[in-house]
Amino acid sequence: ETGVTQTPRHLVMGMTNKKSLKCEQHLGHNAMYWYKQSAKKPLELMFVYNFKEQTENNSVPSRFSPECPNSSHLFLHLHTLQPEDSALYLCASSQAADTQYFGPGTRLTVL
Amino acid sequence: EDQVTQSPEALRLQEGESSSLNCSYTVSGLRGLFWYRQDPGKGPEFLFTLYSAGEEKEKERLKATLTKKESFLHITAPKPEDSATYLCAVQFLETSGSRLTFGEGTQLTVNP
Repeated sequence: ETGVTQTPRHLVMGMTNKKSLKCEQHLGHNAMYWYKQSAKKPLELMFVYNFKEQTENNSVPSRFSPECPNSSHLFLHLHTLQPEDSALYLCASSQAADTQYFGPGTRLTVL
Repeated sequence: EDQVTQSPEALRLQEGESSSLNCSYTVSGLRGLFWYRQDPGKGPEFLFTLYSAGEEKEKERLKATLTKKESFLHITAPKPEDSATYLCAVQFLETSGSRLTFGEGTQLTVNP
């Protein structure tokens, strides 16, 4: 499945580092999402973008900064993260409010 | 607060032993219910969307059904390759159109 791609697939960073996650969708969708998946917890919605405009921020700490330059690309900029931010970060896309299709995720470890 | 609850948390089956997974939700109006399959270390893979009570969808050994309060994912004669975590997600009418509320998932293991 290559409809939604994410890079890198794995990332290890220190608490003082700055890194970025990238997501690209090849499905022609107009909405993109960032989710966080921690062990033993349901997927948590972080941000929603519709036509490049942010429409939802689910009370995410400012150390996570999203960017959506166009409807096909989505970034998540990370800085001064905490160990509890270690998780699988998933990107998804959809056409309006229809079915969301997910990428493979980025496994993030914060040391 | 709208909630989605999946049961059981984990299920072990022998190959060929049929069973069902449950997804129940608080009744505040349903826009759509989605089933996904997730393999370890991978993103969720879309299986089905259900919109109204009485609706059914099938794909190979899987069949999803929907009532006014819950959905079932029936697995008929499962094979080891069906082992995965199955996630249920709901779009509630009272929340923004695209927001999904996920359950915690059912981890299915099918032994040969």
